[in-house]
Amino acid sequence: EIVLTQSPATLSLSPGERATLSCRAGQSVSGYLAWYQQKPGRAPRLLMYDTSKRATGIPARFSGSGSGTDFTLTISSLEPEDFAVYYCQQRNHWPPTFGQGTKVEIK
Amino acid sequence: EVQLLESGGGLVQPGGSLRLSCATSGFAFGSYAMSWVRQAPGKGLEWVSTISSPGGLTYYTDSVKGRFTISRDNLNNTLFLKMDSLRAEDTALYYCAKGDTTGWRNWFDHWGQGAPVTVSS
Repeated sequence: EIVLTQSPATLSLSPGERATLSCRAGQSVSGYLAWYQQKPGRAPRLLMYDTSKRATGIPARFSGSGSGTDFTLTISSLEPEDFAVYYCQQRNHWPPTFGQGTKVEIK
Repeated sequence: EVQLLESGGGLVQPGGSLRLSCATSGFAFGSYAMSWVRQAPGKGLEWVSTISSPGGLTYYTDSVKGRFTISRDNLNNTLFLKMDSLRAEDTALYYCAKGDTTGWRNWFDHWGQGAPVTVSS
């Protein structure tokens, strides 16, 4: 199975700062990568899919980029509601797999 | 509005069985693959199983193959997961998730709130 490695494990930032999260795949997943946001006690929410497409209702401060094995989720200016755990997921190879998550916490 | 509501979780002894249900509304249930994704306490997300639309194909992660059975009732817009021979390592919150396609290659675009499953003696 494809292993997705997310870095860093924890990102400590202040509101208004830029967040850059990384997801690296063990082999190419083409552009078939998504990002999910999960807040404590809540279900995950789809943020981005196909690398750079925002899901319904996701604000423009979220953007995704990358290809092949290296992908990035960028939050241009952190809002208080953005502090959460973020997971990447690939669907290019069976089985679908998730990264281990990056926690974005308030500094 | 898409809604997914899981039920059927609980405490079960090792070797026991549970059946999870996921009642859905707000979308054409029969037109999309549906999945179960679990999250062990304090851990990340793990895909468990997917059933295609309209339901002829099923997929499982290796650790549950032969023990779990996914099924769907397209008339009543409900997804199921029958879990047999449960192990301590199956302890998790089980999410029902809607796919964006008919097959296994899904993004999970809507999620339920989860059904807790605890396997312990």
